[in-house]
Amino acid sequence: SAVISQKPSRDICQRGTSLTIQCQVDSQVTMMFWYRQQPGQSLTLIATANQGSEATYESGFVIDKFPISRPNLTFSTLTVSNMSPEDSSIYLCSVEEGGDGYTFGSGTRLTVV
Amino acid sequence: GENVEQHPSTLSVQEGDSAVIKCTYSDSASNYFPWYKQELGKRPQLIIDIRSNVGEKKDQRIAVTLNKTAKHFSLHITETQPEDSAVYFCAASRSGNTPLVFGKGTRLSVIA
Repeated sequence: SAVISQKPSRDICQRGTSLTIQCQVDSQVTMMFWYRQQPGQSLTLIATANQGSEATYESGFVIDKFPISRPNLTFSTLTVSNMSPEDSSIYLCSVEEGGDGYTFGSGTRLTVV
Repeated sequence: GENVEQHPSTLSVQEGDSAVIKCTYSDSASNYFPWYKQELGKRPQLIIDIRSNVGEKKDQRIAVTLNKTAKHFSLHITETQPEDSAVYFCAASRSGNTPLVFGKGTRLSVIA
C-alpha cells in the first residue's frame, strides 16, 4: 500500500500567520484529499486536489483561507492562512489506492495561540 | 452529496460483551464502506471494510454487515477487550478517486 510522508507532525503558531503542510506519496496518485479534524470531532473534507487543475473545495472552505498546491502526482501542500485559534486542529492528507482502500498521512497537529 | 449518520455517539460495554455501531448513508452510488479506529493522538487506522457486492465480512472478533437496500451498515465487535477502547468512525465513498465521507464517530469504552 502507498506510504504518505506528512510534515510537520505538529506546530504551534501565532495568530495571523500561515502554515504550509506537505504530503509526499511514494507512488503516483490522481487525487489527494485534505481533511481537518477539530478537537473531539470527526474528519471533515476540506478539498480534493487533482494534479494540473484547481482544487475542489467543500462547502465552508475557501481557497483564500486554505490554498492547495498539487505540482505533480506524488506531492501536495495545504496552507492554513491568517490563522486564528479556531484553526487549531489535526490536518490529514489521504489518497485512494485504486481499489485497495485509502491511506492517510500521519497528520499535522496545529495549535494556534 | 453523501451524508453519513453514525450511532451511538458513545458506547460503554463490559469486557467480554459485544459492541455494535450503526451507520446510515444517503448516496445510493456509494460502494465502499470502511471502519476506522482512532486512538488518542493517532491517525485513523482501518480495521475492516466492505464493498457493495458483499453483505457481510468478518475478521476474527470484528465483523461488518451491509444492507444496500436500507443503506445502512454496522460494525460488530465480539468478546470486547479493554484495548478495543477508542473512537470508531464509519465512512462511505463511491471509490474511483472520490473522497471518504465520515460519520461523527463513536467513543467506545470497554470496562474491565
